Amino acid sequence: AQSVSQHNHHVILSEAASLELGCNYSYGGTVNLFWYVQYPGQHLQLLLKYFSGDPLVKGIKGFEAEFIKSKFSFNLRKPSVQWSDTAEYFCAVASGGSYIPTFGRGTSLIVHP
Amino acid sequence: SQTIHQWPATLVQPVGSPLSLECTVEGTSNPNLYWYRQAAGRGLQLLFYSVGIGQISSEVPQNLSASRPQDRQFILSSKKLLLSDSGFYLCAWIEGTGFAGANVLTFGAGSRLTVL
Repeated sequence: AQSVSQHNHHVILSEAASLELGCNYSYGGTVNLFWYVQYPGQHLQLLLKYFSGDPLVKGIKGFEAEFIKSKFSFNLRKPSVQWSDTAEYFCAVASGGSYIPTFGRGTSLIVHP
Repeated sequence: SQTIHQWPATLVQPVGSPLSLECTVEGTSNPNLYWYRQAAGRGLQLLFYSVGIGQISSEVPQNLSASRPQDRQFILSSKKLLLSDSGFYLCAWIEGTGFAGANVLTFGAGSRLTVL
């Protein structure tokens, strides 16, 4: 069975700092990769996704993620965070052909103004 | 446009009481439907999923059950709640029409259950 690891459970940053959240998965075949975000009081929503093609994908609000197949990683990055980026971030992986994404434990990001 | 409704939004129940959480989807047909539980520090745990009416797959043995009486309705139930059932329950759906682009989950607002 596939598993997803998010190494940072709690991250606290000041505005304008750079962000990188780690995500590693265990499945060795074709995968679809996702980052979801849950802002305080809002629905869990898609931030960005990778299905195929360019391994560097860009999402909403200036976020990007890079798929490195050899490292089984899909890390999320943002060069300069804002207070409004305070949220919980979840990495998810669906193996090829599966309709069942597996989620990581999530990372709580707090950005101080 | 597609929307997903969950209710109740908040529920406080005594141990041993029954549970029924309802989820309905609008604006789509034949969706794949999911129940996840979100517990602090434990991420999202898949509880059940359904690819069609009456078809339920359970991912985790537990005190809960699910049913899909209609195409766009998914119900999470329990006959007797345990303290450990407390949590935030999320319903989600995926367009069930093929693989390409089909894995993006759309989530409901969630139902927060506290068992006392």
